[in-house]
Amino acid sequence: GESVGLHLPTLSVQEGDNSIINCAYSNSASDYFIWYKQESGKGPQFIIDIRSNMDKRQGQRVTVLLNKTVKHLSLQIAATQPGDSAVYFCAEIFLSGGYNKLIFGAGTRLAVHP
Amino acid sequence: ETGVTQSPTHLIKTRGQQVTLRCSSQSGHNTVSWYQQALGQGPQFIFQYYREEENGRGNFPPRFSGLQFPNYSSELNVNALELDDSALYLCASSLWDRGQETQYFGPGTRLLVL
Repeated sequence: GESVGLHLPTLSVQEGDNSIINCAYSNSASDYFIWYKQESGKGPQFIIDIRSNMDKRQGQRVTVLLNKTVKHLSLQIAATQPGDSAVYFCAEIFLSGGYNKLIFGAGTRLAVHP
Repeated sequence: ETGVTQSPTHLIKTRGQQVTLRCSSQSGHNTVSWYQQALGQGPQFIFQYYREEENGRGNFPPRFSGLQFPNYSSELNVNALELDDSALYLCASSLWDRGQETQYFGPGTRLLVL
């Protein structure tokens, strides 16, 4: 399949370690945020979301933290596995002109080594 | 799998030609959005359709147009293709419900303009 994100920043981790992927967003009026995972040759896959009135949300092996003061979002992946290797995008969503505007961040490539 | 399908998977066109890309939404979803993803970048919003009408548009010229059908399938049309139109085109379907909306992406159509 084709590559996604050839020139993106890369986070390299050992299998079994925890991963932390960071994202800065721009709009303080954003209503909620989503993390997507994009594997090579595929479309972005929903991982987890968080509303702007929350600062933490946990899913299966993933935790999202939101710091509205500094407009920062992070995705923590516990016990990282080879199948977690992909490009990860954060997206901020805010209501604009009657529709939800979805703005993607630049993306981070996660490389998991055995 | 998200239940969102796109066709074709790959397409090669020459500059000046026209192209139509298709998307079938997830069952029950009433909103479809289209994105352009250049290599190494996050998806960029093109436009969104809700109940067969365009209700939001990104910074793309009028030669990018779309349709949404009563069964909520959708088309993206691009006229007068330019080399820079080469990209992965993604559609995402969602259910607009009281302001909440999570977009689920299809696998994309890879367009190459020569």
